[in-house]
Amino acid sequence: NAGVTQTPKFQVLKTGQSMTLQCAQDMNHEYMSWYRQDPGMGLRLIHYSVGAGITDQGEVPNGYNVSRSTTEDFPLRLLSAAPSQTSVYFCASSYRRLAGVDTQYFGPGTRLTVL
Amino acid sequence: AQSVTQPDIHITVSEGASLELRCNYSYGATPYLFWYVQSPGQGLQLLLKYFSGDTLVQGIKGFEAEFKRSQSSFNLRKPSVHWSDAAEYFCAVGWMDSSYKLIFGSGTRLLVRP
Repeated sequence: NAGVTQTPKFQVLKTGQSMTLQCAQDMNHEYMSWYRQDPGMGLRLIHYSVGAGITDQGEVPNGYNVSRSTTEDFPLRLLSAAPSQTSVYFCASSYRRLAGVDTQYFGPGTRLTVL
Repeated sequence: AQSVTQPDIHITVSEGASLELRCNYSYGATPYLFWYVQSPGQGLQLLLKYFSGDTLVQGIKGFEAEFKRSQSSFNLRKPSVHWSDAAEYFCAVGWMDSSYKLIFGSGTRLLVRP
């Protein structure tokens, strides 16, 4: 199993550009999520999904879109990049429990710089 | 609103000394809790988790944590720290309220003195 994969590993954008961060998992996990990690702020939840076709907003959703057309894939779209979106982005997946989520498996991260 | 607090940004301990990292949360619903560790430039690895049952849970690498509902806390402990434990530690909390949100604390960076 490859686990959780993310592409690209590094990306530099100019302000106003759009792009999609890719995330895929091969563990048949129902739950997938996107976090951004900034110094001193830990990981902040951007969007999450509890299954194909179902997404919801996390703590910091503004400026980002997601969709979940398959169980395996959960892409994160930046609509119009801003310098404030410079961060490291982590995708994670897990099984869904009756109430809540189980251990999250994290991808290696994407380091994004917006100039 | 749901929140998770790790009050210590940095902690420095000597190798062989004991360690306690603090984690507090707020929100009324029943929580479930995790501790993750992140080495520099790496992703996050699970140390331990609590959903129900015995409030003292054992994890990997000799770590343990105790859930104290009355104090809204889930502190991480290790009796004897090794130099390889130097890393950043994150507490994460979810709530059994069908929101499926998992909220992370801001992290505690552990430095180990030889």
